[in-house]
Formats: sequence, structure tokens, C-alpha cells
Amino acid sequence: DVKVTQSSRYLVKRTGEKVFLECVQDMDHENMFWYRQDPGLGLRLIYFSYDVKMKEKGDIPEGYSVSREKKERFSLILESASTNQTSMYLCASRWGRTGHGYTFGSGTRLTVV
Amino acid sequence: QQQVKQSPQSLIVQKGGIPIINCAYENTAFDYFPWYQQFPGKGPALLIAIRPDVSEKKEGRFTISFNKSAKQFSLHIMDSQPGDSATYFCAARNRDDKIIFGKGTRLHILP
Repeated sequence: DVKVTQSSRYLVKRTGEKVFLECVQDMDHENMFWYRQDPGLGLRLIYFSYDVKMKEKGDIPEGYSVSREKKERFSLILESASTNQTSMYLCASRWGRTGHGYTFGSGTRLTVV
Repeated sequence: QQQVKQSPQSLIVQKGGIPIINCAYENTAFDYFPWYQQFPGKGPALLIAIRPDVSEKKEGRFTISFNKSAKQFSLHIMDSQPGDSATYFCAARNRDDKIIFGKGTRLHILP
């Protein structure tokens, strides 16, 4: 089975800090995604990457950036964390653009104080 | 146009009952409709999916019904069990190959 591993289960950061959320997948998937999940709002796409060095904005990219230097790793960066970025962050991967279904990691619960 | 509207927001059903979760969409270019199941503390996992040229798909106790003309699809869980208690997301894939998710339904099956 494909495994998507998010480096931290829980994180607490201070307002203004630069925060890195790491995601690694072990099945050579081309596509990777970052979502945030908030009650009543479902899953909202932040950024995605269809291949190494590629990145595209999703629906809510403001305040975030990403990095994909290696195929298996996709990092989400909060340039200057704010309290409204407190959320559950989910990473997902997919075999390719025509691939069926995402495999999600277990999520990182980020609290910004 | 890019939305998938999901209802209800939450649902409580007695064990053995048949919970039904409904979704509707506007974009006729959507070409793939997956459902994801999420247990507390876990990421969503693909449960079952359907293409718009099929009216029904069944996998075990889970069935998707698809009405292309009405632009609606639904998930039915037969003989529901307490272990089915989870959050369910319907979704649709658009022309850009991105998956658009509904807002989720929290399902609780009473023992």
C-alpha cells in the first residue's frame, strides 16, 4: 500500500513564526497535494504539484508556499504563521493526473498561538 | 460551477439502518465521482467511486447511485454498523484533474 507520512502529528507555533510541514510518500507518485480541513468547510486545496520542481496554487494559497525538490517529498511553508492558520493540514498523493483517487496522510494538527 | 454540495451535515442512524448521503453538482465536465471515508485522527481514505456513464455501483455494503440528468449522486450504506461511524466526503474530478470535495457528513451509527 502507498504510504503518505506527515512528519508531525501535532504542532504548536507562535504567531509570526515560519512553519514547515513535511510530507513524504513512498510509491513514486507524481502528484502531491496540500489541503486544510476545517469544521463545516470540508477540505480546501492550498497548493499542489504535478511533478518535481512544479507547483500550482490551489483555492486558498494566501499565506502559504510549497517546495518540491524531490519526487517523494512535498513541503508546505507558512511564511509567517497567523492564528487563522490554525487547522488540520492533510497531504495527499496520486499516481498521475489520470490516476484514480488520492492517498492521504494522517494529518498535522497545527495550532498557532 | 466548481462546487459539490453535500447533505446532510450530520446524520444519526440506528444500527442496521440505511444512511443516505446526497451530493449535487453543476459542472457537467466532472468525469469521476469518488467517496472518501475519514475516521477520527486519520486522513480520508478512498471508499468507492463511480463514473457518470454508470447509474449504480456496489462494493460490499456501500452503494453509489448516480443520476446524470439530475446531476446528483448518493451513498447508501446497507446494514450499517457502529464501525461505519465516520465523516464521509463526496467529491468530483474536474477537467484540470483536480478533485473537488463536498463539505462532509458526520455519520454516527447507534449500537
